[in-house]
Amino acid sequence: AQKVTQAQTEISVVEKEDVTLDCVYETRDTTYYLFWYKQPPSGELVFLIRRNSFDEQNEISGRYSWNFQKSTSSFNFTITASQVVDSAVYFCALSEANTGFQKLVFGTGTRLLVSP
Amino acid sequence: EPEVTQTPSHQVTQMGQEVILRCVPISNHLYFYWYRQILGQKVEFLVSFYNNEISEKSEIFDDQFSVERPDGSNFTLKIRSTKLEDSAMYFCASIRTGIMNTEAFFGQGTRLTVV
Repeated sequence: AQKVTQAQTEISVVEKEDVTLDCVYETRDTTYYLFWYKQPPSGELVFLIRRNSFDEQNEISGRYSWNFQKSTSSFNFTITASQVVDSAVYFCALSEANTGFQKLVFGTGTRLLVSP
Repeated sequence: EPEVTQTPSHQVTQMGQEVILRCVPISNHLYFYWYRQILGQKVEFLVSFYNNEISEKSEIFDDQFSVERPDGSNFTLKIRSTKLEDSAMYFCASIRTGIMNTEAFFGQGTRLTVV
């Protein structure tokens, strides 16, 4: 069964602090994809990144970086020098080959509050 | 940049009424999805649709729900007799290929309020 756990319900930081959002996943499949989405207060879902199970290279995009570790089934997301505009709910999601990648399973989300 | 468009952005309906939520996926996309997010909760898969038929559905997607692509551009979700617990944000998504290693484009959502 596929499952995504985001244990941090809410994180509050002050602007310019670094923050890491945790994501732990469960899957029996050897081929899968992991995603992060951002949901700002306006409600839409904004795609941030996808990573396939064969690519454990960490990725950096501006202030964002992702650490994928299969050994711990984790796909953590770090925001460096956070800004108020980063305030949002962040969702980690998983899609498996054995479902034909037909659906995303989301975690419960982490609400990030960045104060000035 | 192409985008998935959903209408209306907010709909209020009385319990027991039928509602149709509309989505216009990106034009060259082949796979279409509906997801639901009850306020403050996680986003949940409802149904996937390909080649004019449902390819997978969740247990949430019971007989009260139906989807169709009536005219080759719109993709609709119908709830026949709404219940209070159907109140949620409904997201439409589309992807070009059948595997989720490509980016799933989500619409901005329709907030459904059942009173």
